[in-house]
Amino acid sequence: AQTIHQWPVAEIKAVGSPLSLGCTIKGKSSPNLYWYWQATGGTLQQLFYSITVGQVESVVQLNLSASRPKDDQFILSTEKLLLSHSGFYLCAWSRTGGARDTQYFGPGTRLLVL
Amino acid sequence: GDSVTQTEGLVTLTKGLPVMLNCTYQTTYSPFLFWYVQHLNEAPKLLLKSSTDNKRTEHQGFYATLHKSSSSFHLQKSSVQLSDSALYFCALSDLGSWQLIFGSGTQLTVMP
Repeated sequence: AQTIHQWPVAEIKAVGSPLSLGCTIKGKSSPNLYWYWQATGGTLQQLFYSITVGQVESVVQLNLSASRPKDDQFILSTEKLLLSHSGFYLCAWSRTGGARDTQYFGPGTRLLVL
Repeated sequence: GDSVTQTEGLVTLTKGLPVMLNCTYQTTYSPFLFWYVQHLNEAPKLLLKSSTDNKRTEHQGFYATLHKSSSSFHLQKSSVQLSDSALYFCALSDLGSWQLIFGSGTQLTVMP
């Protein structure tokens, strides 16, 4: 069975500080990977997707970047946090077939920027 | 561009009553529609999905039919339970796209 793990579970960070969030998928080779952002009680906004190692596509610009250093790992980062970065960050994976395939979400990371 | 509209932000019902959550979409391509459910402090999970016109799809007592003529994919259940209280998202993708577009979500609260 496939499992998805995100770290850290929660973070409190200062404005202007750097950030790195991680996501690991186990039990599935060559998954499609996605990052989403969700404001508290709000909708989900897709940020990035990755089809293969070393390749990441941006969907929306939020002063964030993403990388896929390994087949099973997806990293979200920024050098300078903004207050607007607060929210719930979700990593997801799908087997194949683009966004029409079912996406399975990880437990998420809650970020509060002060 | 593609978009999804969920008209109800908040729906409150008594246990045992039927519910319909509205979802309409806009796309110029062949649509794939999804309903995701998110319980409090949890990750979203897929509830239903469809790309077939006029075919009802069901899961866990919920059902929806994609109607391309009206660009709709409403979610229904004949008798809601307390455990159905959650945030429900309608989402859209289309053939060849890597982007999944979510609606604004509907918070369903079921009262005893």
